[in-house]
Amino acid sequence: NAGVTQTPKFQVLKTGQSMTLQCAQDMNHNSMYWYRQDPGMGLRLIYYSASEGTTDKGEVPNGYNVSRLNKREFSLRLESAAPSQTSVYFCASSEGPRVRYEQYFGPGTRLTVT
Amino acid sequence: GEDVEQSLFLSVREGDSSVINCTYTDSSSTYLYWYKQEPGAGLQLLTYIFSNMDMKQDQRLTVLLNKKDKHLSLRIADTQTGDSAIYFCAERAEYGNKLVFGAGTILRVKS
Repeated sequence: NAGVTQTPKFQVLKTGQSMTLQCAQDMNHNSMYWYRQDPGMGLRLIYYSASEGTTDKGEVPNGYNVSRLNKREFSLRLESAAPSQTSVYFCASSEGPRVRYEQYFGPGTRLTVT
Repeated sequence: GEDVEQSLFLSVREGDSSVINCTYTDSSSTYLYWYKQEPGAGLQLLTYIFSNMDMKQDQRLTVLLNKKDKHLSLRIADTQTGDSAIYFCAERAEYGNKLVFGAGTILRVKS
């Protein structure tokens, strides 16, 4: 099992460009999450999908959209990138949305917006 | 609102014990977690404690919870160079979908 995989690992964008970060899990998990990690701050939740077919905003959703393509895949889209979106992005998945289920994290995508 | 605070940096000698501290504000937190992040990697769950427990031990790791003071600590016994990483404290309410993370504590182990 690969667990949670993310592509790409690194990306540099110019302000105003768009891109989609991909995430896939092979653990048959129902719930998936997107976080961003900034220096000196903990991870902050951008969007999550409690189950296939549902998505909800997290703490910092502005400037992002998500798609739960199927049970395995959850993508994060930046329509018009801004320097404030320079960050490391982590995808995670869990068996379910309830607190007893551990979240498993991918290796991250390091995004720089110039 | 919810907030989790941690000290930013801790340096210890190999073989010593490390104690990483965390405070949180949400009294409805049900589970409290410790995650480890090695350079260039994602977060890995180390251990967690349910809010009705005071202590949990797992091999070299001991978690202490003071619910009255909303204080959580992680003790690593016989710290090794491989323990050098960033350690994140996180909390989650029973019906919440999100983890609230602290900023992380950088642990540096000197040989």
